[in-house]
Amino acid sequence: KQEVTQIPAALSVPEGENLVLNCSFTDSAIYNLQWFRQDPGKGLTSLLLIQSSQREQTSGRLNASLDKSSGRSTLYIAASQPGDSATYLCAVITGFQKLVFGTGTRLLVSP
Amino acid sequence: DTGVSQNPRHKITKRGQNVTFRCDPISEHNRLYWYRQTLGQGPEFLTYFQNEAQLEKSRLLSDRFSAERPKGSFSTLEIQRTEQGDSAMYLCASSPEDRGVASVGGYGYTFGSGTRLTVV
Repeated sequence: KQEVTQIPAALSVPEGENLVLNCSFTDSAIYNLQWFRQDPGKGLTSLLLIQSSQREQTSGRLNASLDKSSGRSTLYIAASQPGDSATYLCAVITGFQKLVFGTGTRLLVSP
Repeated sequence: DTGVSQNPRHKITKRGQNVTFRCDPISEHNRLYWYRQTLGQGPEFLTYFQNEAQLEKSRLLSDRFSAERPKGSFSTLEIQRTEQGDSAMYLCASSPEDRGVASVGGYGYTFGSGTRLTVV
């Protein structure tokens, strides 16, 4: 059974810091991996999708990497801002059209 | 098209009542998914439709839960005889069919804003 773990569970940083969120999964036989952002009480907003043939994706201040063989992905956020405060979820895409999610990292960026 | 739409946004119901939620996917997406998220957890898969066919159901989807997608467009999720343990955020997502070089889920998934259910 695929299990996804996100470390740390919570993170508090001052504005301007660069930070790394970690995601690990137990079964390397995934197709793709997607990072989402979730604001309190809201739905999920897609940040980055890394397809199985790719090793990283970039969007603005965000960079996500994927190492399938080691079962790891990282989300790098450069020059963090208070507006980045949210829960960040990673999800692996299995062969049965299912997303398997981690429990998320709650990020707080202080001004 | 403005994305995946879910209604209602919030629903408070008494234990034992039936509730129904609606999801309107992105119009060109033929795949639709329902997930459930409890506080502090990541979303968990409930069920998946390709067009009007329900192709997979999780064991989380007890016999009190039923989902439909008539005509392959919008979908409804009904919970009968609600219990306090049903309180959660119910999320709907859609995706286009994988074609060409895109692998499974190669186009990613778009989620709606969810329906927050509170059973009192």
